[in-house]
Amino acid sequence: DIQMTQSPSSLSASVGDRVTITCQASQDISNYLNWYQQKPGKAPKLLIYDASNLETGVPSRFSGSGSGTDFTFTISSLQPEDIATYYCQQYDNLPQVTFGPGTKVDIK
Amino acid sequence: QVQLVQSGAEVKKPGASVKVSCKASGYTFTSYGISWVRQAPGQGLEWMGWISAYNGNTNYAQKLQGRVTMTTDTSTSTAYMELRSLRSDDTAVYYCARKKWAATFDYWGQGTLVTVSS
Repeated sequence: DIQMTQSPSSLSASVGDRVTITCQASQDISNYLNWYQQKPGKAPKLLIYDASNLETGVPSRFSGSGSGTDFTFTISSLQPEDIATYYCQQYDNLPQVTFGPGTKVDIK
Repeated sequence: QVQLVQSGAEVKKPGASVKVSCKASGYTFTSYGISWVRQAPGQGLEWMGWISAYNGNTNYAQKLQGRVTMTTDTSTSTAYMELRSLRSDDTAVYYCARKKWAATFDYWGQGTLVTVSS
């Protein structure tokens, strides 16, 4: 099974800060990686698909990069409404799918 | 607009079964798959499996094989997830999600809380 790790597990940043989250796969998953945002009490929301493609309607301050085993998710300028937990998700070994453990983002 | 509306919260005893529904609207139901993802209290997301709304083909997470069944009713654009032999660690919010392609989930239901308690 492919294992996913994320770091950090949580972070606090100020409004306007650049925020970076990393996701690492236990083996090469090419670019078969998505990023989701989950606000408290809400369903997850797709932000980035195939590692670097912005989902329609998602603000451009969100971006993703990487391939192989190492991936990065960035919020270029943190906004109060970005308070959420962010999950990476791999789909290299279909039909099995794995989510990362999540990164909780708070405002300092 | 695309919407997935799930059935209401359930409380079940250990050993019982639960069946959660997910009614889709705003798109051609048979053109997409439906996946189910659950989230235990305070925990992360766990993929459970998916079903093709086109032909009913299913794939389940290995740890749930034998306890879970996913079905669809194309006449009502509704997907169902049944989980049997419930245990306390099945207590979670269960989400349905539309499978855009491969394993990319672009629309999600509001979630259904299933509580397993004696």
